[in-house]
Amino acid sequence: QKEVEQNSGPLSVPEGAIASLNCTYSDRGSQSFFWYRQYSGKSPELIMFIYSNGDKEDGRFTAQLNKASQYVSLLIRDSQPSDSATYLCAVNNGWSGNTPLVFGKGTRLSVIA
Amino acid sequence: DTEVTQTPKHLVMGMTNKKSLKCEQHMGHRAMYWYKQKAKKPPELMFVYSYEKLSINESVPSRFSPECPNSSLLNLHLHALQPEDSALYLCASRGRVPDTQYFGPGTRLTVL
Repeated sequence: QKEVEQNSGPLSVPEGAIASLNCTYSDRGSQSFFWYRQYSGKSPELIMFIYSNGDKEDGRFTAQLNKASQYVSLLIRDSQPSDSATYLCAVNNGWSGNTPLVFGKGTRLSVIA
Repeated sequence: DTEVTQTPKHLVMGMTNKKSLKCEQHMGHRAMYWYKQKAKKPPELMFVYSYEKLSINESVPSRFSPECPNSSLLNLHLHALQPEDSALYLCASRGRVPDTQYFGPGTRLTVL
């Protein structure tokens, strides 16, 4: 059973701090990794994806991937109250019609003003 | 353009009604998905279509019937639903290069 694990939270950080969200996965063959942000009552929004080991930065967001340790993380710098949401980690084991993304249960982030 | 559209946004139906949810994308994606999401839970996969053929049915009750009329459209036909089927229904599509999946805004379904 391919699994993606996330701490459910809530993770509370003060405004302006760095929020660090972590995700581990069980399948060593996993190839691509995604972070989605979901506000309450809304659909998931893709905010980052990463394929290679190392860091990938996009604005205030940095995704970090370590395939040897099978973890992927999302850093949010200068956290804002508007970043308060549930963050879903998703992992892809290959593209075909029979390999849908495997989602973690999500981490709830609360940024305190 | 990374837009997936879904209609209707909200739907209230009785247990004897028949209704349909619609989903559309114009990104040329050949994989499309239906998910069901309950409050405070992650999306739960229902169906996968790959190249317009149903490739995965996650043991979904037959009162949910998917259809993929063409590569841009995905429907979910609903019949004789139960109150516990009330949820947010999400459509998604996924490309190959880059390998990214986008969700539609969802349909909030309430079964009375």
